[in-house]
Amino acid sequence: QVQLVQSGAEVKKPGASVKVSCKASGYTFTGYYIHWVRQAPGQGLEWMGWINPHSGDTNYAQTFLGRVTMTRDTSVSTAYMELRRLRSDDSAVYYCARDAHLVPFDYWGQGTLVTVSS
Amino acid sequence: DIQMTQSPSSLSASVGDRVTITCRASQGISNYLAWFQQKPGKAPKSLIYAASTLQSGVPSKFSGSGSGTHFTLTISSLQPEDFAIYYCQQYNSYPRTFGRGTKVEVK
Repeated sequence: QVQLVQSGAEVKKPGASVKVSCKASGYTFTGYYIHWVRQAPGQGLEWMGWINPHSGDTNYAQTFLGRVTMTRDTSVSTAYMELRRLRSDDSAVYYCARDAHLVPFDYWGQGTLVTVSS
Repeated sequence: DIQMTQSPSSLSASVGDRVTITCRASQGISNYLAWFQQKPGKAPKSLIYAASTLQSGVPSKFSGSGSGTHFTLTISSLQPEDFAIYYCQQYNSYPRTFGRGTKVEVK
């Protein structure tokens, strides 16, 4: 069965970086884009960008340009999202989600809580 | 960016009620509209894509309709497990944008 398993919760200081992983199983990793979405406490969903695991191509939301990098390691079927220069308002749950272009976000990871606090 | 406006932001309903949630796009998105359900502490779950296509395994009490700028999600007979927050999302263009959510609560 399709699964996306994310890394555990992180606590970071302002100005630091965080790297969240998303390990895929149960399907061909390179056949589906991986998107990242975040959700601040009590708030809605915010799209961050995608990576094409086959080519490594990426597309980031304007909000995160210059601070986010999405990568993948096909040998371990894992996608990564690194966010730099963290601020307190980056505290959120970060989700990865599989996307089949015309069937968006059919599977989601369980989420990774990132807390930014001094 | 395409803005997605959901209404209402919250509603109170009883078990067995028929519930309808509306989502409007700031510009035409054809049928590139998805609906998600989120329960507290959980990841969103895909319910519907292409405005009206049920995701595999989703019960038929959920239905979606619409095209262009106006869309609806209907739950035909609300059950206890349906109390949650529902989000619409457009995937016609980037950035992908979500509505702000509709919280369905127990009356």
